[in-house]
Amino acid sequence: DQQVKQNSPSLSVQEGRISILNCDYTNSMFDYFLWYKKYPAEGPTFLISISSIKDKNEDGRFTVFLNKSAKHLSLHIVPSQPGDSAVYFCAASKGGSQGNLIFGKGTKLSVKP
Amino acid sequence: ETGVTQSPTHLIKTRGQQVTLRCSSQSGHNTVSWYQQALGQGPQFIFQYYREEENGRGNFPPRFSGLQFPNYSSELNVNALELDDSALYLCASSTGQDRSSTDTQYFGPGTRLTVL
Repeated sequence: DQQVKQNSPSLSVQEGRISILNCDYTNSMFDYFLWYKKYPAEGPTFLISISSIKDKNEDGRFTVFLNKSAKHLSLHIVPSQPGDSAVYFCAASKGGSQGNLIFGKGTKLSVKP
Repeated sequence: ETGVTQSPTHLIKTRGQQVTLRCSSQSGHNTVSWYQQALGQGPQFIFQYYREEENGRGNFPPRFSGLQFPNYSSELNVNALELDDSALYLCASSTGQDRSSTDTQYFGPGTRLTVL
């Protein structure tokens, strides 16, 4: 039973436009959510996180939105750049930022020049 | 640069053998977690160590075991290797265990294990 779901395996966006990556979860006990970016042959790189007590967190071009009632979070990248092309993983934890992370299967983002 | 290193980069073993994978965390990172990432999947939690003691375990059999050392290094040991153990093995480290902490877990580049 997958507790964290990323239903779009891939997303293609034009450079300069907005990229929106979506993630759904089923476990209401999750209290911390993260997005990681992964390039081939590298480990996941932390991008941005949000605690369940917030509904929005922003860091430069990256914004994460959390809708607890819908058990849904999204990552917005504005403006998208070709270097953003990677696989994006959504992850959730029941133990704050230190708990074990439950990952989705990832969404491959392609940003075209 | 996360400061988390893993060795070896790649490894080929045969079914039934045993393997040890290594991870070196940043100084001060008392928590280390290990994940298995199969092809086309997200990383799956194996176990976590905090100050050299196991602090949580995922749905993996006992033939997956670990050690954490005082010098911020750790090991993942897998006995009786099976073909399905072929995957990328990732370690992630962070500073502490405090639930209120906002410190993030930082991943190493992984070890690609192939079991033939």
